[in-house]
Amino acid sequence: NAGVTQTPKFQVLKTGQSMTLQCAQDMNHNSMYWYRQDPGMGLRLIYYSASEGTTDKGEVPNGYNVSRLNKREFSLRLESAAPSQTSVYFCASSEGPYRLTEAFFGQGTRLTVV
Amino acid sequence: AQTVTQSQPEMSVQEAETVTLSCTYDTSENNYYLFWYKQPPSRQMILVIRQEAYKQQNATENRFSVNFQKAAKSFSLKISDSQLGDTAMYFCAFMKQVPGGSEKLVFGKGTKLTVNP
Repeated sequence: NAGVTQTPKFQVLKTGQSMTLQCAQDMNHNSMYWYRQDPGMGLRLIYYSASEGTTDKGEVPNGYNVSRLNKREFSLRLESAAPSQTSVYFCASSEGPYRLTEAFFGQGTRLTVV
Repeated sequence: AQTVTQSQPEMSVQEAETVTLSCTYDTSENNYYLFWYKQPPSRQMILVIRQEAYKQQNATENRFSVNFQKAAKSFSLKISDSQLGDTAMYFCAFMKQVPGGSEKLVFGKGTKLTVNP
């Protein structure tokens, strides 16, 4: 009953460091998403993916890269972290393609950049 | 671009009373889904209710119901018999199909609901 699993749950980075947030789902979903959540801003879409090897930019893609290596996994990379990237990051997945169904979310990663 | 607007940053209600959270959205699409998600202090995102745009009947899930007005692009959430456990952030969300087969899911900024004893 894992659903969507994100790692790590917490991370502190120094400005300029890089890191990758991992996300995996075991529901055989096609669509996957990365969001960031900031106070008063709701969840803003960073990138999304319809299938392995395809990705699209969301509302706030600058400073991030993503990889959809296979159907299960969708990673988010910060090449050179900045304090403005301090946020809670959520990964989500939904059934797709051409099926509008609910999205399931991971537990979130709280990232602090100092 | 699709936008979702929640005009009430914070609301409060007394236990056992009814409260309505507002949501409006902007789209030119005809086929889409709308959702309300709840985020308690645990941070977990929990689906409360969903509505398919092609269905005229308003969705209902126990104490939760929606008032879906497609022409007005309005999607409000009504919580009846409010309980202390309903205290949470509530997010309205819009999903549509995009070229290539993916779905795009966008959220409003949220409404913080507090249920008072």
